[in-house]
Amino acid sequence: SQQGEEDPQALSIQEGENATMNCSYKTSINNLQWYRQNSGRGLVHLILIRSNEREKHSGRLRVTLDTSKKSSSLLITASRAADTASNFCATDPITDKLIFGTGTRLQVFP
Amino acid sequence: GAVVSQHPSRVICKSGTSVKIECRSLDFQATTMFWYRQFPKQSLMLMATSNEGSKATYEQGVEKDKFLINHASLTLSTLTVTSAHPEDSSFYICSAREDRGGNEKLFFGSGTQLSVL
Repeated sequence: SQQGEEDPQALSIQEGENATMNCSYKTSINNLQWYRQNSGRGLVHLILIRSNEREKHSGRLRVTLDTSKKSSSLLITASRAADTASNFCATDPITDKLIFGTGTRLQVFP
Repeated sequence: GAVVSQHPSRVICKSGTSVKIECRSLDFQATTMFWYRQFPKQSLMLMATSNEGSKATYEQGVEKDKFLINHASLTLSTLTVTSAHPEDSSFYICSAREDRGGNEKLFFGSGTQLSVL
């Protein structure tokens, strides 16, 4: 079953613009992670934010977490064509399992 | 960084045959590995959790006799799709978590595209 839903489902922007995608989940969590998937490939871990954290940065990535609203957002600043991919949030409602959201397909045009 | 190798990357088989997919952690030990299935433009659906030295734990609705999982060593898990049918055609992805404590992120294989004719 899906733990998270992401919004928007698809996003198209120009290089240099910022991209924001949101994730909502259903149950309490230990942490929330974001992963990226290029078409037809496996996933790559982007960033992890713990349930007691509200914001985290890593390079051009900024993640926020609001446990009261059960939501998270991923901001990619100064996007590049190479950022074109599907981005998924993932939560661990049960220890040792990661459940993935529905994903946001990001297209960055040069 | 940690590397997970998944083979084959693509397989085409006839209906009724069995297909084995391998997932190896190349530079770390992984007591626990996960198998996911993904349909085009959709998310990953967890199929089962593979545990070294014990039986796999299957998610609700996943047939354990259809999708056989073997995790015989700390670096290798295999998924065998038995008596494959066209509806089993999908993208299968494995992932592994390092055994070192406190490491929650997953490392993914590059996936296997299965096409059953």
